[in-house]
Amino acid sequence: DGGITQSPKYLFRKEGQNVTLSCEQNLNHDAMYWYRQDPGQGLRLIYYSQIVNDFQKGDIAEGYSVSREKKESFPLTVTSAQKNPTAFYLCASSETGSTNEKLFFGSGTQLSVL
Amino acid sequence: AQKITQTQPGMFVQEKEAVTLDCTYDTSDQSYGLFWYKQPSSGEMIFLIYQGSYDEQNATEGRYSLNFQKARKSANLVISASQLGDSAMYFCAMRAFMIKAAGNKLTFGGGTRVLVKP
Repeated sequence: DGGITQSPKYLFRKEGQNVTLSCEQNLNHDAMYWYRQDPGQGLRLIYYSQIVNDFQKGDIAEGYSVSREKKESFPLTVTSAQKNPTAFYLCASSETGSTNEKLFFGSGTQLSVL
Repeated sequence: AQKITQTQPGMFVQEKEAVTLDCTYDTSDQSYGLFWYKQPSSGEMIFLIYQGSYDEQNATEGRYSLNFQKARKSANLVISASQLGDSAMYFCAMRAFMIKAAGNKLTFGGGTRVLVKP
């Protein structure tokens, strides 16, 4: 079945540590996105990529980094510069990034700080 | 800048009844798309319905319909014949028709939690 796979489901970060969240899609979609969700709140865009080897900052990119070396993969690194990383992280994709396209989402990664 | 407002943090609805979830938006763009997503307790986001700003008719998808009032900038979701499985968070979102180089990000509202009572 086609879809988006996020791993791990739960992740713990020690202070000063970088951690990487995985996102893989087999939908052959060009565009991929990372969103952060804090408890009881909506989603905020961290980074997005509309094509391989290209990505743009979203609304809350500070303390995060991404890469897009392959079409199917869009990993997110939460760096030590992100002082409040505890949140639910959702990866999404869409065919081309056009305005009427729905986003397909993964099942998310819950990141907590030890 | 775009903004989505969902004023109802939580709602109870009786099974088999209809429920309306409010969504208002603010944008200076003339062309945009509006989306509703459902998020069950498992966390994944499930697409429900889409409405384009130039669509003349309100969108419908099964038990979901969108009450689109462009002049009032509102896009309320109506769920008919509620089922226990409809208990979840519901998010309204918008994407403006910007030039591709500027990105086509989806902006989300804060969500409404719906609990369906048997």
